[in-house]
Amino acid sequence: QSALTQPASVSGSPGQSITISCTGTSSDIGSYNYVSWYQRHPGKAPKLMIYDVVKRPSGVSNRFSGSKSGNTASLTISGLQAEDEADYFCSSYTSSSTWVFGGGTKVTVL
Amino acid sequence: QVQLVESGGGVVQPGRSLRLSCAASGFTFSNYGMHWVRQAPGKGLEWVALISYDGSNENYADSVKGRFTISRDNSRNTLYLQMNSLRAEDTAVYHCASSPAGGHFDYWGQGTLVTVSS
Repeated sequence: QSALTQPASVSGSPGQSITISCTGTSSDIGSYNYVSWYQRHPGKAPKLMIYDVVKRPSGVSNRFSGSKSGNTASLTISGLQAEDEADYFCSSYTSSSTWVFGGGTKVTVL
Repeated sequence: QVQLVESGGGVVQPGRSLRLSCAASGFTFSNYGMHWVRQAPGKGLEWVALISYDGSNENYADSVKGRFTISRDNSRNTLYLQMNSLRAEDTAVYHCASSPAGGHFDYWGQGTLVTVSS
C-alpha cells in the first residue's frame, strides 16, 4: 500500500487560514470515511486532531476542520496561531484492512 | 490522564530478535484495540500491526508478516511486539497507539528507537 500524498510544507500568517491536502486512492480515502489527522510537535507524541473525516475529539479547537472529496482529504486550520506550528499527517483505513499514512506536512506560522 | 510508554528498544544485529513493550494507564486498556506504528529515519509513518481489544484478532503489514507478533496482557495493561529476524530496514522509532472502535488512533506513545545494525 503506497503512502498518502501530502505537501511537504504549508505556511501562513497569524489569523489566516491554511489547508493541507492528503491524496490517496479508491482503495483507501476514496472508499472509507476513516480519514484522521494528527499534529506532532518536536519531541512530543502525535495528537489526534480530526477523525472519521470531519469529527473533532473533545478538547481540540474548532479552528481545525476536516473534509473529503473523492480520493483527497483536507485539513483546514483557520485563525492560524503560533502554537499551530507543527507537523501534521493524515491516515486512512484501507481495503486491505491495514492503515496508511501521509508523509507529513510542516506548518510554519510566518 | 492517558499514558502510553514504550520500552525495549535498542541496538540489535540483523537476524536477531527484540521484544518491545507498551505500558498503558489512564484508560480501560481492555476495551481498546492497540496498534504499533513505526517511523524510519527520514521517512513517514508506517503502520505495523493491530490487535483487537481482547487479543482474539491480529493484523500485520506485509513488510513484517511472519516475522513480528503483536500480543497483549490485559491483566498488566501492557502491549507487546515480538520482532524476529530483524533487518536493517526495521530500524525505526516504534510507537504504540490506542484505537477505539473505528479507524483512527486516539492516543500515542512517544516511541522507542530500534536500530538494526551489525
